[in-house]
Amino acid sequence: DQQVKQNSPSLSVQEGRISILNCDYTNSMFDYFLWYKKYPAEGPTFLISISSIKDKNEDGRFTVFLNKSAKHLSLHIVPSQPGDSAVYFCAATVPLGNEKLTFGTGTRLTIIP
Amino acid sequence: KAGVTQTPRYLIKTRGQQVTLSCSPISGHRSVSWYQQTPGQGLQFLFEYFSETQRNKGNFPGRFSGRQFSNSRSEMNVSTLELGDSALYLCASSLATSGNSPHEQYFGPGTRLTVT
Repeated sequence: DQQVKQNSPSLSVQEGRISILNCDYTNSMFDYFLWYKKYPAEGPTFLISISSIKDKNEDGRFTVFLNKSAKHLSLHIVPSQPGDSAVYFCAATVPLGNEKLTFGTGTRLTIIP
Repeated sequence: KAGVTQTPRYLIKTRGQQVTLSCSPISGHRSVSWYQQTPGQGLQFLFEYFSETQRNKGNFPGRFSGRQFSNSRSEMNVSTLELGDSALYLCASSLATSGNSPHEQYFGPGTRLTVT
């Protein structure tokens, strides 16, 4: 049972344009969401997070949007740069100090120069 | 500040053997979590340790175990290895405190385990 889903296995975006990565979840208990970026042969790198009490969080070129009613979140990268080419994972966790992350299957983003 | 370190980086074992992987968290981080990454199942949570106690556990058989030491360093052990245990094993640390909101986790580079 995949509780966190990333339905697009891959995405190609022109350099300088906006990259939008999507994530859906089914568990209504999730209240904290994170995005990670992963390069080959490296561990995931934390990008940005959002609590369920917010609907938007911004950090530089990265913005995460959360739509709780739709159980959907998205990561926007503006402008996209070649170094953004990587696999992006969304992850979610439930309340009460639980460090267990449930990950999506990932989206491979390729930025075309 | 040094990042999360994992040793060894690569390991080849035979079916039926056992293996121990090591993780040193970022200084000051008290929570260490372990994940398994495979092409078919993605990133799956194994267990989390906080203050030398296992606080959370994923859906893995008892062959997978771990422990945490007083300096927050952690080890995970897999006994009676199976071919399906071939995977990238990732360790992550965080500033987690007891009972508070989750914190961002910082991952190490992983240990690539191949079981033949």
